[in-house]
Amino acid sequence: GAVVSQHPSRVICKSGTSVKIECRSLDFQATTMFWYRQFPKQSLMLMATSNEGSKATYEQGVEKDKFLINHASLTLSTLTVTSAHPEDSSFYICSARDKGFYEQYFGPGTRLTVT
Amino acid sequence: ILNVEQSPQSLHVQEGDSTNFTCSFPSSNFYALHWYRWETAKSPEALFVMTLNGDEKKKGRISATLNTKEGYSYLYIKGSQPEDSATYLCAFNGGTSYGKLTFGQGTILTVHP
Repeated sequence: GAVVSQHPSRVICKSGTSVKIECRSLDFQATTMFWYRQFPKQSLMLMATSNEGSKATYEQGVEKDKFLINHASLTLSTLTVTSAHPEDSSFYICSARDKGFYEQYFGPGTRLTVT
Repeated sequence: ILNVEQSPQSLHVQEGDSTNFTCSFPSSNFYALHWYRWETAKSPEALFVMTLNGDEKKKGRISATLNTKEGYSYLYIKGSQPEDSATYLCAFNGGTSYGKLTFGQGTILTVHP
């Protein structure tokens, strides 16, 4: 149990285009989902937290107009990187948590390369 | 800015050796401490969530202890096997019930046959 999928696993896009990444909880209800980013040789850094049906809360320094997060259902959250630039190239990974539980379950991540 | 540190950064051991790593975190506003095992190209696997000072948890050959007063947790692996090779991450939740985690940089373990 407690499986989180993430799609796509890898994406290459051109500068100026937008990319959407999906995060799904397959066998539990994800009342809260988290989006992290990891740059080379650094730790996972939280970008934003989203609760189903409400607006995401962004961490300091993360542009909410650039990283659009939608958590429309209890099993799906999406992260859209708008007008991507090479500096947005990174590893993006989501996690999901059910209300009342401590555990967070992670997807396998998405490697984004912007050329 | 919360500071979560893990040591060592990497570790090479022989099959059968026992090993341990450290995670240090702020000793104030503690809510929970998570340990994950992350193999390349896979999802991080949740190992333990520890919430009480003095907690000790065990899963097979892996165990963990927690000291919230001094701000550290140890992860132990007994009789390491090559399949234990992975990055081990700890993550600190400092007083938020909604689950915001601050991660350490991880300890990369390589177990040689």
